[in-house]
Amino acid sequence: NAGVTQTPKFRVLKTGQSMTLLCAQDMNHEYMYWYRQDPGMGLRLIHYSVGEGTTAKGEVPDGYNVSRLKKQNFLLGLESAAPSQTSVYFCASSYTGFRIDEQYFGPGTRLTVT
Amino acid sequence: KNQVEQSPQSLIILEGKNCTLQCNYTVSPFSNLRWYKQDTGRGPVSLTIMTFSENTKSNGRYTATLDADTKQSSLHITASQLSDSASYICVVGKANTGTASKLTFGTGTRLQVTL
Repeated sequence: NAGVTQTPKFRVLKTGQSMTLLCAQDMNHEYMYWYRQDPGMGLRLIHYSVGEGTTAKGEVPDGYNVSRLKKQNFLLGLESAAPSQTSVYFCASSYTGFRIDEQYFGPGTRLTVT
Repeated sequence: KNQVEQSPQSLIILEGKNCTLQCNYTVSPFSNLRWYKQDTGRGPVSLTIMTFSENTKSNGRYTATLDADTKQSSLHITASQLSDSASYICVVGKANTGTASKLTFGTGTRLQVTL
């Protein structure tokens, strides 16, 4: 099992450019999440999905869109990148959203917007 | 406001020594508390998950304690190893949040174990 994988690992964008981050999991998990991690701050939830075809907003959703067309994949899109979106992005998945269900994280994507 | 505060921010210890990391939280209503280990350049990995009815949980050389009355938790690392060098993140889950567990992440304690 590869667990949770993320593509790409690193990316540099210019302001205004768009890109899509791909997250894939092979654990048959229903729930998937996108977080961002910034220096001096805890991880913050951007969007999440409770199953194939569903998405929901998290704590900091502005400037991002997501899609969950297949159960194993969760895509995070930036339509017009801004320097404030420079961050490390983590995808996670869990079997359910039950209160003590463990979340498994991917290795992260480091994004720099210039 | 739901907050999770960790101390110290960073810590350096000698290999073989023990250490204790602290976590205070204001998340309410409380559901669960997790400790994660995050190696540099990697994603967080779960160490322990505790609910309000559990006051201690171990995972090898890692032992987490929880005092839900005072809203404090600690992570004790015994006989530290160089591989324990990482950030340790305290995460608190909120109850009654509908379809998905809402987690509040601390900023982490960066531990460095040296020879």
